[in-house]
Order: sequence, then C-alpha cells, then structure tokens
Amino acid sequence: AQSVTQPDIHITVSEGASLELRCNYSYGATPYLFWYVQSPGQGLQLLLKYFSGDTLVQGIKGFEAEFKRSQSSFNLRKPSVHWSDAAEYFCAVSGGYNKLIFGAGTRLAVHP
Amino acid sequence: KAGVTQTPRYLIKTRGQQVTLSCSPISGHRSVSWYQQTPGQGLQFLFEYFSETQRNKGNFPGRFSGRQFSNSRSEMNVSTLELGDSALYLCASSLGDLTGGADTQYFGPGTRLTVL
Repeated sequence: AQSVTQPDIHITVSEGASLELRCNYSYGATPYLFWYVQSPGQGLQLLLKYFSGDTLVQGIKGFEAEFKRSQSSFNLRKPSVHWSDAAEYFCAVSGGYNKLIFGAGTRLAVHP
Repeated sequence: KAGVTQTPRYLIKTRGQQVTLSCSPISGHRSVSWYQQTPGQGLQFLFEYFSETQRNKGNFPGRFSGRQFSNSRSEMNVSTLELGDSALYLCASSLGDLTGGADTQYFGPGTRLTVL
C-alpha cells in the first residue's frame, strides 16, 4: 500500500540554522512527490514537487528537496531558516487520480 | 489569478444535522479534490471530481458525498453529522490533466466544521 512517513513530529531550530525535514515513501511505481506547508488555521501551500528529471528540485521560499530512489526518500532542506518558516510541513505522494497521500506532518519551531 | 475559495470558513452544527460546503476552483481548473484534516487521522482524501464526474474516492462512509457543477465549482455534503466529523475540510483544485502522470493541486483555506 502507498504510504508516506515523516519520522519527526516536532523539530526546533535556531533562526539562521540549516534545516532538513525527512520524508520516506512507499510506492510501487514512479512516485510523484510534493511538499506542502501549512500555517496555523490555514490551507496548504505548495513548496515544491518532483515528477521526473533532475532529482534535486528547487521550490519557493528558498526550499529544495532531493529525490533518492534507492532510499525511498524525498527530504526537504533549507540552508538558513527564518522565523517566518515556523509552520507544519507535509510530504505527500500522488496515489493516482489526484489522490494525495500525506505524511503525518512535521511541526517546525524556530528559536530567535 | 484568484486562488481556491471555500465557503463558509467556519460552521457549527449539531449531531444528526447535515452540512454542505462549497469550493470554487482556480479559473481554468477542472479538477476539485476534497480532504479531511483531523488531529488524530491527519490529512485524508475524500474524493475527486473532474468534469462533473467523480474520478476517485477515498475510504469514507456514504454519508460523505459531493458533486461538481459545469463551471467546475464543487460542493461537499455530510449527512447525519457525528462528533467525529469535526475537522478542517480542505478543497484543492488542479487542471485535471493526468497525461503526465500527476497533477499539481492548489489548496483553499479550508472550512472548519465543529459538530456539537
């Protein structure tokens, strides 16, 4: 069955520090992968996506993610975190016909 | 372009009632998907509509239903509300073209439903 695992429920980083959020997926075919961010009480904003091609994808707000088929991973990174990055981050895989399968999310806190 | 809009933003209902939520997609988008978000179950797919036809469905009881109109606007209905239906209901729209294997979904702000 298709699934997405985000091992870290909460992560706290200092402002200016680097960030890596982990995502592992289980999917039999070629995965189509997404990262979304959600601020409190808001909808989901698309950060980036991987469909094919270059395994390092760039997104908005300075985020990037690397697709590693051998590790079934799609980790999200940012070199320098800003206080405004505090939010919940969701990794998702497309399960066909616009069905997104989401991970449980990682809540990011940023210390000044 | 205007984003995905959802109305109402907040709803309070009592058990046994029914509720209808509305979603207007981004102009030009023909696919609308619905998701339920709860603290316990996370984000779960309800169903997807494309050109007025349900194209995919998640594992929810028949009390949850939806429809799409010719202008791509969509409504979701929940009948005989239960306490466990309290959630944030998110709508997402996309072009609907899956020839590339996947589509990019853009989410609305959600409707917060509270069932008392």
